[in-house]
Amino acid sequence: GAVVSQHPSWVICKSGTSVKIECRSLDFQATTMFWYRQFPKQSLMLMATSNEGSKATYEQGVEKDKFLINHASLTLSTLTVTSAHPEDSSFYICSAFIPGGSSNQPQHFGDGTRLSIL
Amino acid sequence: GDSVTQMEGPVTLSEEAFLTINCTYTATGYPSLFWYVQYPGEGLQLLLKATKADDKGSNKGFEATYRKETTSFHLEKGSVQVSDSAVYFCALSGGTSYGKLTFGQGTILTVHP
Repeated sequence: GAVVSQHPSWVICKSGTSVKIECRSLDFQATTMFWYRQFPKQSLMLMATSNEGSKATYEQGVEKDKFLINHASLTLSTLTVTSAHPEDSSFYICSAFIPGGSSNQPQHFGDGTRLSIL
Repeated sequence: GDSVTQMEGPVTLSEEAFLTINCTYTATGYPSLFWYVQYPGEGLQLLLKATKADDKGSNKGFEATYRKETTSFHLEKGSVQVSDSAVYFCALSGGTSYGKLTFGQGTILTVHP
């Protein structure tokens, strides 16, 4: 089945640094990937839609200069949290979209990245 | 726009109890409906799905039936286990947003021995 790998799984860093999270589709090509943010005991909030070779589409209220998304190849999308602060601490999850996939599952999810900013 | 509403949690049950988690939706068109499960510290796993009215999705003892007349997709399991403790999300795809998933707020399930 379709596998999405997300790296790192956990990162702790100092306030003011930038952190990059990778999302890879291991055995298929993903022209579209999604990035979600999840607060403790809450649902997933869609941050942006990442399209290979074009600019990401951000949801309302998400700062595009804060959360930089790059989708340079059909198997890799990256989310960079720039100048991270403690309020950016959260669980970030990516997913890859397979149009017309035989499983009728629209998205395959990575295992998430727990980001802690000190 | 599309929306999904799940029953309030958390839900706490004893092992072998019957589980129901309610889910209703609002969408235009003919969405597909899903239940995802999230174990602590992990991403989401697809539990089951239904793509059209009256379809029943099932997996690992869990079931849900796509009820168009009541716009519902309630999750049920006849006998829960401790290992079922997790967060369960109802979601829809299609409707007005091709490819995007709209999630409910999630329901925390805790099963005690």
